Amino acid sequence: NAGVTQTPKFQVLKTGQSMTLQCAQDMNHNSMYWYRQDPGMGLRLIYYSASEGTTDKGEVPNGYNVSRLNKREFSLRLESAAPSQTSVYFCASSGDTAYYNEQFFGPGTRLTVL
Amino acid sequence: SQQGEEDPQALSIQEGENATMNCSYKTSINNLQWYRQNSGRGLVHLILIRSNEREKHSGRLRVTLDTSKKSSSLLITASRAADTASYFCATVPSGTYKYIFGTGTRLKVLA
Repeated sequence: NAGVTQTPKFQVLKTGQSMTLQCAQDMNHNSMYWYRQDPGMGLRLIYYSASEGTTDKGEVPNGYNVSRLNKREFSLRLESAAPSQTSVYFCASSGDTAYYNEQFFGPGTRLTVL
Repeated sequence: SQQGEEDPQALSIQEGENATMNCSYKTSINNLQWYRQNSGRGLVHLILIRSNEREKHSGRLRVTLDTSKKSSSLLITASRAADTASYFCATVPSGTYKYIFGTGTRLKVLA
């Protein structure tokens, strides 16, 4: 099993460009999450999806959109990138939401917006 | 704002010593989890303690939870150079599905 995979690993954008970060998990998990991590900081929740077909805002959703394409895939879209969105983005998944289980993380996408 | 705050922000110890880091949070929780992050990598789950538990052990890890003080501690015994990493606590506030991470403790174990 690959666990949680993310693409791309690195990306450089110019201000105003758009892009989609892809995430997939093969653990049959219900819940999926997108976080950003800025230098010296913890993770901040952008959006999450408690189950297929549902999405909810986290702590810092402005400037982002998400799509839970199916149970496996959860994508994060930046419609018009800004330098403040330079960060490392992590996708995570967990099992049954009702038990608030451990999260499994992908390797991250390092995004730079010039 | 962050739900969890770790203390200290950074810790440097000699191999073989014990490392203790603390986490404080603000609201009632379902559980509290500890994660490790090696430089440049994703987070890895270490241990989960539920709100009705007071102490939990896993190998060289010992976690305590005091819900009256809204605090938790992680003890790593007999530390090794390979334990060098950042450690984060994460809480799930009651009534939500959101995992809230603290700012982390950077641990350096010197060989």
